[in-house]
Amino acid sequence: SQTIHQWPATLVQPVGSPLSLECTVEGTSNPNLYWYRQAAGRGLQLLFYSVGIGQISSEVPQNLSASRPQDRQFILSSKKLLLSDSGFYLCAWGSKDRLYQPQHFGDGTRLSIL
Amino acid sequence: DQQVKQNSPSLSVQEGRISILNCDYTNSMFDYFLWYKKYPAEGPTFLISISSIKDKNEDGRFTVFLNKSAKHLSLHIVPSQPGDSAVYFCAASTLEGAQKLVFGQGTRLTINP
Repeated sequence: SQTIHQWPATLVQPVGSPLSLECTVEGTSNPNLYWYRQAAGRGLQLLFYSVGIGQISSEVPQNLSASRPQDRQFILSSKKLLLSDSGFYLCAWGSKDRLYQPQHFGDGTRLSIL
Repeated sequence: DQQVKQNSPSLSVQEGRISILNCDYTNSMFDYFLWYKKYPAEGPTFLISISSIKDKNEDGRFTVFLNKSAKHLSLHIVPSQPGDSAVYFCAASTLEGAQKLVFGQGTRLTINP
């Protein structure tokens, strides 16, 4: 069966520090990968998605970047964090092989910027 | 422009009764609709979905209804149980490209004993 791992679960970082969040998927190959953010009391907003190694699409202008160095690895980064980067970050994967398939989410990273 | 809207931030239902969560969308190109359940500090868990070629999909206590002409979908939970207390998100996507999901703001469902 497929599983998705995100780490760390929580992170407290000072303003201006760098960021690296990692997500890996097991049990599937060539998935679509996604990064979402949930701000307090809000829905989930898609930040980045990737349909293959090295292929990254950004949905919203922001202080963050994403990379996909391997088929089942997705990384969210920042060179200098802002206060507005605080939130709950979620990684998800979806299948390309079949239509009408849901995305599956990791347990998320709670990022607090001080 | 919010393409998917859940207009009720919260809903309180008595245990054993029916819970009805609603969702509206504006983009007529959406052809796949999903409901996710989310507990605090966890990722959303897929609950049930429906394609645009159907108007109803049932899975145990959960039924999703789709009204394409009204651009409205709803989730029915019968009977409601205390473990159903969570935040419920509806989401929609087209089937093109990366099948990106657009989420509503969520509805917090509380089941009272």
